[in-house]
Amino acid sequence: AQKVTQAQTEISVVEKEDVTLDCVYETRDTTYYLFWYKQPPSGELVFLIRRNSFDEQNEISGRYSWNFQKSTSSFNFTITASQVVDSAVYFCALSEAGDSWGKLQFGAGTQVVVTP
Amino acid sequence: DVKVTQSSRYLVKRTGEKVFLECVQDMDHENMFWYRQDPGLGLRLIYFSYDVKMKEKGDIPEGYSVSREKKERFSLILESASTNQTSMYLCASSFGAATVYNSPLHFGNGTRLTVT
Repeated sequence: AQKVTQAQTEISVVEKEDVTLDCVYETRDTTYYLFWYKQPPSGELVFLIRRNSFDEQNEISGRYSWNFQKSTSSFNFTITASQVVDSAVYFCALSEAGDSWGKLQFGAGTQVVVTP
Repeated sequence: DVKVTQSSRYLVKRTGEKVFLECVQDMDHENMFWYRQDPGLGLRLIYFSYDVKMKEKGDIPEGYSVSREKKERFSLILESASTNQTSMYLCASSFGAATVYNSPLHFGNGTRLTVT
């Protein structure tokens, strides 16, 4: 069963608009980590953020912000004032401490297209 | 700077051929991974290795094998390529065998394999 759901397949916005990417996860573990990765057209996935299950504090990094809500099992990602360089596929991923190796489980990804 | 290098960007092989995909990392990471990426399915783990000569099956190991003779190199082998193995293959590495579940992955650029 899919443990990480990214319901949005593709989001298209015009530059300077805000865009929010949804991520819903499923786990029975109390200790787990959530990640976001960006895959630009070059193909190389780039690590953006890691959040552990005990830290629900939201985080902001420049134009990027993350909203972690355990009550709804969601870890959403917002890009403020989007730019063309934000065009990429974004993946949410889950790693559970109860898994013998804590393998990362990825969502299907959300393609973000930012047009000038 | 952290570097994961995959030997080929594009590869075209015939059905039944034996295919080798090579990956080298220069970060002295303990863990190395092979994923395949298909549209709508995200990234799926094929095999990973937490130490030299050690390997663990991921979610979709059938039709694949791996080799890790040196710490920096992790090879994916398709014993007899089939058309359903046409995909993007991504290699990744991470630090620390004991902390595999919370260590960010560092990815290569990917190898797009086409089997005809």
